Amino acid sequence: ETGVTQTPRHLVMGMTNKKSLKCEQHLGHNAMYWYKQSAKKPLELMFVYNFKEQTENNSVPSRFSPECPNSSHLFLHLHTLQPEDSALYLCASSPDRGQTNEKLFFGSGTQLSVL
Amino acid sequence: RKEVEQDPGPFNVPEGATVAFNCTYSNSASQSFFWYRQDCRKEPKLLMSVYSSGNEDGRFTAQLNRASQYISLLIRDSKLSDSATYLCVVNTGGSYIPTFGRGTSLIVHP
Repeated sequence: ETGVTQTPRHLVMGMTNKKSLKCEQHLGHNAMYWYKQSAKKPLELMFVYNFKEQTENNSVPSRFSPECPNSSHLFLHLHTLQPEDSALYLCASSPDRGQTNEKLFFGSGTQLSVL
Repeated sequence: RKEVEQDPGPFNVPEGATVAFNCTYSNSASQSFFWYRQDCRKEPKLLMSVYSSGNEDGRFTAQLNRASQYISLLIRDSKLSDSATYLCVVNTGGSYIPTFGRGTSLIVHP
């Protein structure tokens, strides 16, 4: 079993749909992240949670809504997305936020297509 | 100026070659540095941390130049399996947010 598991692996949705991405980590980490990776662009940090509390929101549009019920689970709720939101969404975890040598462990990602 | 900049490449090299990538960062207060590897359609995975004195892991050598604000990755005796995108990551600011470069593509051919 991999350390960080994301579901679904692929998702196609219309602009009026509501869907959720799920992430679960089995590493005992306290921090979890959502990143967006678009073609030919660097990974963009979206949200950070540390001990279930949101510590970073990188000016993400409100059509993306994160939820972190506990340190092992992270969700990204999607509604009324735009075609430009099509991208690879990566979840990551790390032992603790605020450490200088923070190392990230990524899930396999969800490839999202918005039609 | 972008926070973390990398030459996207691709770097196209034969097996056995030595290849080096650089990555520049803009924030002089950056505290820690890493190289990640990302295979096509896969997630990024940590390759190695970069320490002030430089460090080596097998065929891979990482170095940090704080004065010029860049880090480097040297790969010796390239293998076909080294073909991937190499991502530079810098932890910056008071909250040490990991900031990624766009990556450098390496293609090792027979």
